[in-house]
Parts: sequence; C-alpha cells; structure tokens
Amino acid sequence: EVQLVESGEGLVQPGGSLRLSCEASGFIFSTYPMHWVRQAPGEGLEFVSSILGDGSHPFYADSVKGRFTISRDNSKNTLYLQMGSLRPEDMAVYYCARDGPTGWHFDLWGRGTLVTVSS
Amino acid sequence: QSALTQPRSVSGSPGQSVTISCTGASSDVGGYNYVSWYQQHPGKAPKVMIYDVTKRPSGVPDRFSGSKSGNTASLTISGLQAEDEADYYCCSYAGSVYVFGSGTKVTVL
Repeated sequence: EVQLVESGEGLVQPGGSLRLSCEASGFIFSTYPMHWVRQAPGEGLEFVSSILGDGSHPFYADSVKGRFTISRDNSKNTLYLQMGSLRPEDMAVYYCARDGPTGWHFDLWGRGTLVTVSS
Repeated sequence: QSALTQPRSVSGSPGQSVTISCTGASSDVGGYNYVSWYQQHPGKAPKVMIYDVTKRPSGVPDRFSGSKSGNTASLTISGLQAEDEADYYCCSYAGSVYVFGSGTKVTVL
C-alpha cells in the first residue's frame, strides 16, 4: 500500500527540541521530493520545508529557518524533521507529503503527528 | 511569504455551483502555473483536487475545475454535493517554497 506514516508526536517545553519521522512505503521513495506541512489547531495549512529525492536542496519557510532541519534516509525510506528552539506558535499537526509525479504539488499525505509546545 | 487570500466561507444548495477565489501576487500565483487546491474534511489529511492550475488527479470528479487570471486563481465546484462540504485550501509555488491560502469553508445548505 502506498502510504506515509508520521511519528514523533510529543509535548515539549518552549526552547526544546523534537525529531519527527515519516516512513514511506509502496513507492520508490528516493525518486520523490518530500515536504513537511503543518496545521496549528483550528488554523490553516502552512508549508514548512522541502527536500529533493537525493537529499539535496533543503528549503524552509521563513518562520522555521535556522531552527528546523529537514533530512532523509533513502535506505530506510524515511523523512525527518529536526525541530529546535521550539516556540508556542510551532504547536501544530505536522504532515509529511510527497511531491506529485509532475512536481509542484502534494499528491500523498500522511495522517499527521501532533507537536505540543507548552510549559 | 504571506498567506494567499481566500474568502472565509462560501455556501450553496445541492446541485448549485460555487467558486472560491485565491488571490496572491506576481511572486507566487501570478508568476507560476503551479497552483493546486486541497480538500480537507474535519480530522483528516488534505487531498489534492486540482494541480497545475487546471489539472485533475485521477479519481477526482470532473465537477471540480480550476482556473487562473493574473494573480488570482479560482476553484469551481459544479453540481454541489453533500460530500463536498469541507475546507478548501489553495497553494502556489513561490520559488523554492510554497504558500497556502487562508482556507475556505464550503457549506452545502
């Protein structure tokens, strides 16, 4: 089955760190750029970060630049998001998403994992 | 990286048509033909309904259509059905990053 499964949900204090994972199955993971998108409670979708299939060219939203790092391990079919210096406004459901076959959109999404930032 | 502007809500009766606008700038919507639309039901992950402004993924009903003029993209749902009630988000490539719209709640009366 073609799917993405996020993990790493947790409660972290402001200023803390957390690593999210997204395990892919059912497709050739290494050939697809991947993305992280988040959604704060009751709010809209927000792009977080992207990475190419070979792990190059990471890009970040201004809101997380310098604090978050995207990476991938193609041998494990897994995408990561290392989050640091977490702020209350980072609290959200984090989705991983696959780039569409023709690019420039998100054609496969995981169910999401919740990050809570609170003291 | 400001969010694209969408109406907060639109509504229509079953069988009617509704159109959702998505206004950006020349650096995103107006600069690229890479606008996509996502449907999200409560508690669920988003689902792509339109990509590359006008293209429909396999399995998406042809009641859903997209267009763009200048810095504004639009999603039209024709023949509105009960299951179309959801939140809809536009998204545009903006040169290395993506920007989403503020979201529109579609209500089927």
